[in-house]
Amino acid sequence: NAGVMQNPRHLVRRRGQEARLRCSPMKGHSHVYWYRQLPEEGLKFMVYLQKENIIDESGMPKERFSAEFPKEGPSILRIQQVVRGDSAAYFCASSPPVGQGNGNEQFFGPGTRLTVL
Amino acid sequence: AQKITQTQPGMFVQEKEAVTLDCTYDTSDPSYGLFWYKQPSSGEMIFLIYQGSYDQQNATEGRYSLNFQKARKSANLVISASQLGDSAMYFCATSMNTGFQKLVFGTGTRLLVSP
Repeated sequence: NAGVMQNPRHLVRRRGQEARLRCSPMKGHSHVYWYRQLPEEGLKFMVYLQKENIIDESGMPKERFSAEFPKEGPSILRIQQVVRGDSAAYFCASSPPVGQGNGNEQFFGPGTRLTVL
Repeated sequence: AQKITQTQPGMFVQEKEAVTLDCTYDTSDPSYGLFWYKQPSSGEMIFLIYQGSYDQQNATEGRYSLNFQKARKSANLVISASQLGDSAMYFCATSMNTGFQKLVFGTGTRLLVSP
């Protein structure tokens, strides 16, 4: 049973370019969360999605950032017109539907390390 | 709003000894969960242990145990018989048990295990 998959593992972009980060949840998991970790800091919640729905985006910056989790395919975190301050590790996590699993599971992917030059 | 405080930026321990990593939390939710994750230098987040606010007993997972003191709002991680491979960052996190697991993380403690 494959874990949470994220790609790419490392992404380098120049200022002003777009960054697309992908996350495939664990099999059977329908909830996806994105977190950002700035250097030497803890993880900060960005957005929570279920299939085709954004449930909570309270941690998303108001501009340039968007997320989706389509019916088919991985969840995508998109950052437009990247700036140096976007350099960070972006982690995706997934959990099973409510009422399934033990309710406490949230498994993380390996992260995507974004570097903006 | 929930908050996690980890006051130890760094800890040192000798191999085979036990070590306690501190975590205090602040939440107004009646039901919540407490998590510990390990982040080695390779960067991935590894789930270690979970404690529910209504769990009567302290959680244990192998060499990891969680010293849960609800009145003090503390959820310290105890690692027994430290190994060199335990050297990593350790993050405490909390969630509201409202059906989805939005986690709030602390700033982490860097543990270094020496031979």
